[in-house]
This record gives sequence, structure tokens and C-alpha cells, in this order.
Amino acid sequence: EIVMTQSPATLSVSPGERATLSCRASQDVRSNLAWYQQKPGQAPRLLMYDVSIRATDIPARFSGSGSGTEFTLTISSLQSEDFAVYFCQQYNNWPPSTFGQGTKVEVK
Amino acid sequence: QVTLRESGPALVKPTQSLTLTCTFSGFSLTGSGTCVSWVRQPPGKALEWLALIDWADDKYYSRSLKTRLTISRDTAKNQVVLTMTNMEAVDTATYYCARTKLGYKELFDDWGQGTLVTVSS
Repeated sequence: EIVMTQSPATLSVSPGERATLSCRASQDVRSNLAWYQQKPGQAPRLLMYDVSIRATDIPARFSGSGSGTEFTLTISSLQSEDFAVYFCQQYNNWPPSTFGQGTKVEVK
Repeated sequence: QVTLRESGPALVKPTQSLTLTCTFSGFSLTGSGTCVSWVRQPPGKALEWLALIDWADDKYYSRSLKTRLTISRDTAKNQVVLTMTNMEAVDTATYYCARTKLGYKELFDDWGQGTLVTVSS
């Protein structure tokens, strides 16, 4: 099973600043990588898929990059509604897909 | 508008079986490309995909939990049911049902609000 490792566990950022989140796969997942956002008490929300395609209604300040084993989610200018936990998910050779442990983006 | 809602017991004893029902609206599970998955999340931990049923009634399971899981559907009632046997404390989690993104069995586009299941004697 492919293990997904996210870093850092917690990222403290001021509103308006850039946030960069990392996700590493234990083996090559090509471009089969998605990101989800989860706010407290809510279900996750699909943000990005196929590394860099934004899901429906996701603003352009979110962008994804990477391939193979190293991936990045960038939030260009953090808004108040962006403070949340972010999970990466690989779906190469599904089933199964596997998720990272999450990065919490908190207010600095 | 697509909605999904999970229902089932909040508390299960160790060794018992868990049955969860996902009742959905706004789509048909017989529509080509439509799938519903179950995903769980232990408190403060990562998401874990459990099982999927698709429009053709094909079923897919997590390798590590395959022997304990059964997914089924009732298209007339717009429901998907997940049964997990031999529950343990480590199975304590919020269980979500989710509709997958059209064309992707692996991605989750619409989610229920989740139901917390605690395994304890």
C-alpha cells in the first residue's frame, strides 16, 4: 500500500500570506494526486485532482504541482475561510486510494 | 441538488457488526459512471477509503478490511448499505458516504455529514 506523508503537520500563516503544503508518496503515483480541505465538524471537500486541476468552484488562489512522488499545494494569499486541515490522496492503481495524515493551516 | 445522509448506531460493542445506511437524493445510482463510496476517519486522524459500489452493482473493497465489509444498494430506496463485522475499538471513527466524481471512482465530490461510531463495551 502506498504511504502518503504530509509536511508540515501544522503550518502557521498570517492572512494574506502564501501557504505551501507538501505531500510525498512512498512510490510513484504519476499524476494521480488529489487534495481535500476539511474544516472542523465538516466533511472533506475536494479541492484539486490530477495534481493541478481545480474542482468545481475552487478559487484560483489554490494551485497544485508535482509529479511522481513529490507534490505541493499552494494557497497564494490566505483568506480567513482557508484555515483548515488539508489532506492529500493518491489514487494510482486504485483500489485502494490512500490519504496523508493532513496539514493543519492555522492563523499565525 | 445532491445530498447524502448516513444513519446507523452511534455505539457498538466489540465483536458486534455495524450496519450503516447512506440515503441519497439528487442522483440515481443506476446512472452510468455513478458510484458511492464509504470513507471513515478516526478522531483526529487520516481518512481511510473502505468500499465502493457502482452503477453496474460492481463492488470494490479496501484490501485490509475486505473480509469484514459488505456493501450493497437498494436502488428503489436510493440507499447504500455498509456492513462491517467484528467491530473493534480501533474502528471508532466518523463514517462518511460520498458520491464519487463522475469519471473517477477514486475521488469524492459530494459527501454526507458523517456519523460517529464508537466501539466500546
